[in-house]
Amino acid sequence: EVQLVESGGGLVQPGRSLRVSCAASGFTFDDYAMHWVRQAPGKGLEWVSGISWNSGTIDYADSVKGRFTISRDNAKNFLYLQMNSLRPEDTALYYCAKGGVIFRLYYYMDVWGKGTTVTVSS
Amino acid sequence: QSVLTQPPSVSGAPGQRVTISCTGSSSNTGAGYDVHWYQQLPGTAPKLLIYGNSNRPSGVPDRFSGSKSGASASLAITGLQAEDEADYYCQSYDKSLSGSVFGTGTKVTVL
Repeated sequence: EVQLVESGGGLVQPGRSLRVSCAASGFTFDDYAMHWVRQAPGKGLEWVSGISWNSGTIDYADSVKGRFTISRDNAKNFLYLQMNSLRPEDTALYYCAKGGVIFRLYYYMDVWGKGTTVTVSS
Repeated sequence: QSVLTQPPSVSGAPGQRVTISCTGSSSNTGAGYDVHWYQQLPGTAPKLLIYGNSNRPSGVPDRFSGSKSGASASLAITGLQAEDEADYYCQSYDKSLSGSVFGTGTKVTVL
């Protein structure tokens, strides 16, 4: 069974850092791009960042550029999102999502995790 | 902010047909990039509903269909059922932003 399980969320003060993780299983992880998508409470979906299968291409939404860093460990089948200089507006449920087409960074996302909640508040 | 515009809500009686529009611009859907649709049931993660404008993943009922023309795309639900009550999002790629973009989202209510 293809599965994505996020972890590492929590309550953090503004300006601090947090790293969330995504454990992948049930598919050949290093064949597919991966993405982080977030959803603020009561709001819509916002794409945060994407990373190609070999980490050769990485992109970020303007709202997190310079503060967040996406990475992956293909040996361990893990995806990460390092979040620095956190702001209250970063409060959201963070989903890990798998790219739908082998070796293609941008197209659809066919598998989603259940998400991990990040709350930025003093 | 979202660059793909959807109506905030649509509603219909059981058995009826509803459509949801998704309108972009010359840097995303109007540039020829495909549109994909997701269904998000209350309290759950999004689920892929339509990919490549009009293709259904295995297991998605044929009551759901998608189309695209120019910068606009549509999702149609025929034979509306109570279990279709959910939020629906379109998604594409934006070349100016160099990233994926989602629509503003549409809440479907079954009357």
